[in-house]
Amino acid sequence: KNEVEQSPQNLTAQEGEFITINCSYSVGISALHWLQQHPGGGIVSLFMLSSGKKKHGRLIATINIQEKHSSLHITASHPRDSAVYICAVRYGGSQGNLIFGKGTKLSVKP
Amino acid sequence: SQTIHQWPATLVQPVGSPLSLECTVEGTSNPNLYWYRQAAGRGLQLLFYSVGIGQISSEVPQNLSASRPQDRQFILSSKKLLLSDSGFYLCAWSRDSRAFFGQGTRLTVV
Repeated sequence: KNEVEQSPQNLTAQEGEFITINCSYSVGISALHWLQQHPGGGIVSLFMLSSGKKKHGRLIATINIQEKHSSLHITASHPRDSAVYICAVRYGGSQGNLIFGKGTKLSVKP
Repeated sequence: SQTIHQWPATLVQPVGSPLSLECTVEGTSNPNLYWYRQAAGRGLQLLFYSVGIGQISSEVPQNLSASRPQDRQFILSSKKLLLSDSGFYLCAWSRDSRAFFGQGTRLTVV
């Protein structure tokens, strides 16, 4: 069974803290996505990874293909970072599906 | 450029009324198309996916149906909505390792 596990499920941090959200998956993938979902529900795609590391502003995403694990880091966190962060993986093959993790709810306190 | 349009963003419908959510894709051809639902407090669950015009696979039996009348159009429908159909609906497309996500539709059935 193809599964995507995220941890932690909920995370509360103080403004300025360094934050890490983890994602593990069970079989080989062609790509992994990190998404941000704000309270209104709209989803924003943050990163797409197939190897290595990507950085955008205060966000950093890494993936370890051998360990089947990815992390999303937020440096110098801010209350506006409060959202649900979702990991999604694309399993291989032309009919491969996107499988989503259940999300990590992040709350950054001022 | 590659984009995906999903509308409406929010919808309030009475029990027993019909539903039609539309998703259109730009900037690609022959993508895989997906409809997901997120119930309150839960992760995104795959409802339907399509690998081509008129080809629909259903992952979860429910009160909903999907159609793909054109290559870049994916429609989610219901003849009679139930209270349990309330939730956040997300359209996505993928091709190769790329994936794009709609903004989502928050449906409230009253």
